[in-house]
Amino acid sequence: DTAVSQTPKYLVTQMGNDKSIKCEQNLGHDTMYWYKQDSKKFLKIMFSYNNKELIINETVPNRFSPKSPDKAHLNLHINSLELGDSAVYFCASSQAGPGREQYFGPGTRLTVT
Amino acid sequence: AQTVTQSQPEMSVQEAETVTLSCTYDTSESDYYLFWYKQPPSRQMILVIRQEAYKQQNATENRFSVNFQKAAKSFSLKISDSQLGDAAMYFCAYRSANTGNQFYFGTGTSLTVIP
Repeated sequence: DTAVSQTPKYLVTQMGNDKSIKCEQNLGHDTMYWYKQDSKKFLKIMFSYNNKELIINETVPNRFSPKSPDKAHLNLHINSLELGDSAVYFCASSQAGPGREQYFGPGTRLTVT
Repeated sequence: AQTVTQSQPEMSVQEAETVTLSCTYDTSESDYYLFWYKQPPSRQMILVIRQEAYKQQNATENRFSVNFQKAAKSFSLKISDSQLGDAAMYFCAYRSANTGNQFYFGTGTSLTVIP
C-alpha cells in the first residue's frame, strides 16, 4: 500500500506547455506539501495545505498553482513551462501537531526541453 | 526563518566503519523537532531518525544514532558499521513545535560507502 503516491513519475515536455502532477496520500494526514529539488539536490518548499487551506506559499512563480480538492489530494499545475522548471517535484504529507514527520512521495522528474 | 546548515557536501566511509554527518541549525525557539532523512539513488525520501528538543537523551535507531547538543544547536548523525546500502544523500530537517507545519531542510550530504 503506497502511503503517498504521485503521478506521473517522469514527465518530459516542451517549453510553453501546461502540465499537472497529481498527489494522493492514504495516511489520513491533515497537511500536504510540494517541494522542488533542483539538480544540486536542494529541497525547496513551494506550498503547503492544511485541510484544503493554503498555509505556506513560498516565492514561487504564479505559473505554479496548487489545487487541493480534498484532504487526501494536492495537485500541482504548471502553466507555460520553462527550462528552469526542470527538477524533481516531491509531494509530502504529515499529521498536524508537533513532532510529526513528513512522508514523501516517490517524486516526479520533470524535464522541460 | 530557521536555517539548517550541513557543512559537508560529500563524505565517504569504508564499509563496516563509522561515519558522522554534521548538522547545525539556527533558531530562537526552545521547543522543536529534528529529523534526518535519507535519499538513496531511488530518490525516495526515507525518515532515518527523529529527536525531540525537550529530550536530553540522544535518539538511536539500530546502527543510526544522533549527537544532539541543544546549546550548540548541533544535531549530528552517526552511522555505525556502515553498509553499502547506506550510500545516499542525507538531509537534516527542523520542525517547530509552535509555528505550524513548515519543515526546514539542510542542503544535504552525499555519503559514499567504499567496499
